[in-house]
Amino acid sequence: DGGITQSPKYLFRKEGQNVTLSCEQNLNHDAMYWYRQDPGQGLRLIYYSQIVNDFQKGDIAEGYSVSREKKESFPLTVTSAQKNPTAFYLCASRDRLNTEAFFGQGTRLTVV
Amino acid sequence: QKEVEQNSGPLSVPEGAIASLNCTYSDRGSQSFFWYRQYSGKSPELIMSIYSNGDKEDGRFTAQLNKASQYVSLLIRDSQPSDSATYLCAVGDSGYALNFGKGTSLLVTP
Repeated sequence: DGGITQSPKYLFRKEGQNVTLSCEQNLNHDAMYWYRQDPGQGLRLIYYSQIVNDFQKGDIAEGYSVSREKKESFPLTVTSAQKNPTAFYLCASRDRLNTEAFFGQGTRLTVV
Repeated sequence: QKEVEQNSGPLSVPEGAIASLNCTYSDRGSQSFFWYRQYSGKSPELIMSIYSNGDKEDGRFTAQLNKASQYVSLLIRDSQPSDSATYLCAVGDSGYALNFGKGTSLLVTP
């Protein structure tokens, strides 16, 4: 089955800890994205990558970091610098410019 | 910052009626436009894409784009209770960025 796999589905983090969210796609898509969604809100772009070893900041990149060492993988690290990390995180991919994005099932991160 | 604006709603329509959802965007260089549906706790799923001015129809859904007015809309005909969800407008710029609005909550009442 082709698709986007995010793991874990639920994640709990203690204050002051870094955590890494996984996103893997087997669609052979060039571009990958990370979005954050808060209750009752839309999707806010954190980072995106259009090619391996290159990525760009979105609107809310502070407190987050990413890497794109392989075409299939785009992990997101939520660092301790992110003061309010509790949210629903969505990973997406696009085949090429101007095509639609496909989403993973999301990771719900909670700070405890 | 490239803005995508939507009325948050909720928009309530009776079953069988037409639901009209609207979206405006700030970046005149935007090239691709999408409507996604999101059920509570789930990830968004694509409903329609549109790239040129005018109307695009797919079943009960019609997307409308007016680049001069920087406006895109979605009409849902014969609305069903299963259409109750949040509808997200997404706008792709001239590069690879894809920005979303806050979404409009639609409630279709039997």
